[in-house]
Order: sequence, then C-alpha cells, then structure tokens
Amino acid sequence: AQTVTQSQPEMSVQEAETVTLSCTYDTSESNYYLFWYKQPPSRQMILVIRQEAYKQQNATENRFSVNFQKAAKSFSLKISDSQLGDTAMYFCAWGWSGGGADGLTFGKGTHLIIQP
Amino acid sequence: GAGVSQSPSNKVTEKGKDVELRCDPISGHTALYWYRQSLGQGLEFLIYFQGNSAPDKSGLPSDRFSAERTGGSVSTLTIQRTQQEDSAVYLCASSLDPGGPYNEQFFGPGTRLTVL
Repeated sequence: AQTVTQSQPEMSVQEAETVTLSCTYDTSESNYYLFWYKQPPSRQMILVIRQEAYKQQNATENRFSVNFQKAAKSFSLKISDSQLGDTAMYFCAWGWSGGGADGLTFGKGTHLIIQP
Repeated sequence: GAGVSQSPSNKVTEKGKDVELRCDPISGHTALYWYRQSLGQGLEFLIYFQGNSAPDKSGLPSDRFSAERTGGSVSTLTIQRTQQEDSAVYLCASSLDPGGPYNEQFFGPGTRLTVL
C-alpha cells in the first residue's frame, strides 16, 4: 500500500515571501502521478499542480513549482510571491497511472497561513 | 460547464438514523470517487465507480456504508444506522480518464455530516 506523509501540520509566512511545503511518499510502483491540491475554507479541493513520475522535469504552474526527487520519494511544493489567497490547507496525493480503482492516497495536509 | 455538485451541503442527523448523500459528476466523466475527510485528517478513499461497472466495495469502512451509481452518472452514498464516528465531510470527485494522462480528479464541495 502507498503512504503519503506531510510533516508540517501548519506553516505561516508573510505575504510576498516564498514558502516550501514538504511531502514524502512510499510506493513500490514505477508509474504513478503526484498531485498537490489546495482546500480553502469553502472545502472545494482545487488541483494546484501535477507531476508524472516518468518525467524528470519538475512541473511548474505560474507561481507554483515542485521539486520532484524520485529516488528519495520526495515531492515538495514551492509557492513564490505568496498571496493572501494562498491561505488554505494543502494536500499532497499519490495516484497510480494504471487506473483509478484505488483512488488517490492523500497526506494529512499542511495548513498554510499567509500573513499580511 | 458545471462542476461536480453534491447535496445536501450540510446534514445533521441523530445517531441510528439513515442518511443519503448525493453526487452529480461532471457530464462525460466516466470515473466517480467518494472520499471521507474526518476532522484534521486527509482524505480517505471509500469507493470508485467506472461507468456502469460494479464497484469494489472493500474500501467502505463498514457494512453500514453502501453506494450506487445509476446510469453511469449520479451516485448516492448511503450510511445506515449512523454513528458519531461517521461525522465527517464526504467528498465526491469525478475524472475523465482514471488511468490515463487526463486523470485529474475534480472535486465537489462536499457534504458535512454531523451525527448527534
């Protein structure tokens, strides 16, 4: 079974700073996807960024980028120029590329607070 | 187009009562997922539907939980004889292609269930 670990229950930074959220995972699969989801107080889970394990290049989406270290099974999220709207719970998740029957495996989340 | 919708948004019930939670996936999405999010926890995968195929129910927490999907679209999650430990947010997600490159899961806003 896969496990996803987020070791930072809560983080707080000042607006415009850069922040990195950590995620490690354990799997014996070779083909899989990794995701970062954002959950604001509205409860709506929003996909922030996705990484395919077979791609060596780190994914980027505007202010969001990842540092994917496959051998170390590490998948951290970097948010640059943080904004007040980035305040939310952030969940790291693992998914098997062979099919969705097992759903996504989520970490317990990191509560990110952006201070004005 | 419309996103994933769930109803009700909030449900308060008494211990021992049955509840039904509804999920309307994005039109055209063949895969549908149910997750449970307990307070302060990540998402726990419950069950997956692919089209009209019979689901694997092994992820359901107990035999009091059941789920069905009619016509490959709308899904209902039923909890019989509710217990206080069933209190959680129940999230539904759908995806276009569960095993391929377009396997992003789109989440609904969830149903917050409170069992008194």
